[in-house]
Amino acid sequence: DIQMTQSPSTLSASVGDRVTITCRASQSISSWLAWYQQKPGKAPKLLIYKASSLESGVPSRFSGSGSGTEFTLTISSLQPDDFATYYCQQYNSYPFTFGPGTKVDIK
Amino acid sequence: QVQLQESGPGLVKPSGTLSLTCAVSGGSISSSNWWSWVRQSPGKGLEWIGEIYHSGSTNYNPSLKSRITISVDKSRNQFSLRLSSVTAADTAVYYCARLGAGFDPWGQGTLVTVSS
Repeated sequence: DIQMTQSPSTLSASVGDRVTITCRASQSISSWLAWYQQKPGKAPKLLIYKASSLESGVPSRFSGSGSGTEFTLTISSLQPDDFATYYCQQYNSYPFTFGPGTKVDIK
Repeated sequence: QVQLQESGPGLVKPSGTLSLTCAVSGGSISSSNWWSWVRQSPGKGLEWIGEIYHSGSTNYNPSLKSRITISVDKSRNQFSLRLSSVTAADTAVYYCARLGAGFDPWGQGTLVTVSS
């Protein structure tokens, strides 16, 4: 299985901050990586697919980059609605696997 | 737009079988997509269980393969999950989701508790 790791596990930030979350894969996954946002009691929401493509309807302050084994999710200016947990997920090979999550909370 | 809705018992006895159904609305299950089950428990985070195509082809997570069956009912536009020999470790929120460029959309999720 491909193992996904994320850092940091928790991130404290303020509204307006630039936030970067890193995701690493245990082997190359090309660009087959997605990012999700999850709020308590809700299903994950797709933000980014194929490492850097913004899902329709997702604000442009979200962006993704990377390929191979290292990826980043950036929020250019954190908004109140962005406090949530973020997960990366690889769909390069079976079984699909998720990262452990990064919780973004209020500083 | 496509919407997914999980249904099934919220409580299953240990050693029993968990059965869930995902109803697809706003689109056809026979579209060119794979349909997945994903679960989320506090101890293991998000775990992909398996997927099915409308032809009936499946892919399963090897960690669960011996215990899971995913099936499709095109006439009812739905797909189902059966997980046998459940233990407390199978307690989780179970989601169904469509795989396109990523998992989207997702159902709202259903909590299944394994307890006597």
